[in-house]
Amino acid sequence: ELKVEQNPLFLSMQEGKNYTIYCNYSTTSDRLYWYRQDPGKSLESLFVLLSNGAVKQEGRLMASLDTKARLSTLHITAAVHDLSATYFCAVARSGGGADGLTFGKGTHLIIQP
Amino acid sequence: KAGVTQTPRYLIKTRGQQVTLSCSPISGHRSVSWYQQTPGQGLQFLFEYFSETQRNKGNFPGRFSGRQFSNSRSEMNVSTLELGDSALYLCASSWRGGREGNYNEQFFGPGTRLTVL
Repeated sequence: ELKVEQNPLFLSMQEGKNYTIYCNYSTTSDRLYWYRQDPGKSLESLFVLLSNGAVKQEGRLMASLDTKARLSTLHITAAVHDLSATYFCAVARSGGGADGLTFGKGTHLIIQP
Repeated sequence: KAGVTQTPRYLIKTRGQQVTLSCSPISGHRSVSWYQQTPGQGLQFLFEYFSETQRNKGNFPGRFSGRQFSNSRSEMNVSTLELGDSALYLCASSWRGGREGNYNEQFFGPGTRLTVL
């Protein structure tokens, strides 16, 4: 059974600081996704990581994937209040098929001025 | 291009009733997946449909069912509602075709918030 663990589950940080959210998964996967969810809203796709060593950046967010360690990180640089949200990682089983995604429990991020 | 749409957005039902939720995928997308989101269990995969066939199913009881129509629109049905079925139900669509579609990026709709009293 594929399991996905995120940590921390809750993070309060100040504007301007850097921090990293970690996502570990239990079995082989060739696709990892990061999503953002604002309160009462749906999921917004942030990154799709497809291969070992993949790194993607968008603004103050950067995601990376290490398939050997079964680890992905989402790094926040010089945080701003607008990045306050819940961040989920999700993993698909290997094989290229459209399997359902297994989600982590989410990291609730609060960025304070 | 219009996004994924879900109807209704909010629904209140009582225990024992049944409910049908609808999802219209992004134009051209052929795969529709359903997820349940609750504070306790988080996001859980319900099932996935592709070309009117259920391809994958999560670990939910048989009270949860779905179908997909020839235009890729999908419905999910929950019968004999229980209090624990109160949740946000999210639908996601993806292209799932050819080599570029192999990674199956899923785009989520706004969700239907179901409250069971």
